[in-house]
Amino acid sequence: QQKVQQSPESLSVPEGGMASFNCTSSDRNFQYFWWYRQHSGEGPKALMSIFSDGDKKEGRFTAHLNKASLHVSLHIRDSQPSDSALYFCAASEHGGNMGYKLTFGTGTSLLVDP
Amino acid sequence: VTLLEQNPRWRLVPRGQAVNLRCILKNSQYPWMSWYQQDLQKQLQWLFTLRSPGDKEVKSLPGADYLATRVTDTELRLQVANMSQGRTLYCTCTPGQTNERLFFGHGTKLSVL
Repeated sequence: QQKVQQSPESLSVPEGGMASFNCTSSDRNFQYFWWYRQHSGEGPKALMSIFSDGDKKEGRFTAHLNKASLHVSLHIRDSQPSDSALYFCAASEHGGNMGYKLTFGTGTSLLVDP
Repeated sequence: VTLLEQNPRWRLVPRGQAVNLRCILKNSQYPWMSWYQQDLQKQLQWLFTLRSPGDKEVKSLPGADYLATRVTDTELRLQVANMSQGRTLYCTCTPGQTNERLFFGHGTKLSVL
């Protein structure tokens, strides 16, 4: 069973629109969450982390974490064509001493239409 | 600035033949090096983390067998054998064991001939 589930599988938004991704963990050991982005032909790159309940904003990107439900989301406002990529949610285990070992979600493919 | 150099970028592997991959760390402040695989469905999966020269680990997953070696403080190697399905192998690095971001290399894409 996939321990980190992501939705939707793919998403298309107009330029300037809002893109939203969801992620849920089925394992309560996962307490630390990241969002990574992968453009075609490249390795994934970290966008932002979220370790505490609530919202975290970095520029156009806002992440939200609900630890009780193990649900994390990412919202991109004012989406740009350059945001078109594969987005992954990733989690690491409680305790934090194996932060190099991430469990990735299934990914969401975002297409921003110019 | 590129932290990791992966070679080669792409390899065609005859069925039944093993292939050796290298990853070179360009900044010693990120010594925790790992290998991740990405399958044809784009699913990313952690394989190994090797911190010290001389560390070795083996693992068998659906579609491939792996042997990872930390050769030096700056070089990580991966041997891929018995590969039946294509995949991309990424080297990563991070400063420590705690929750800091991973930096990924460009990856090596392996295709089965």
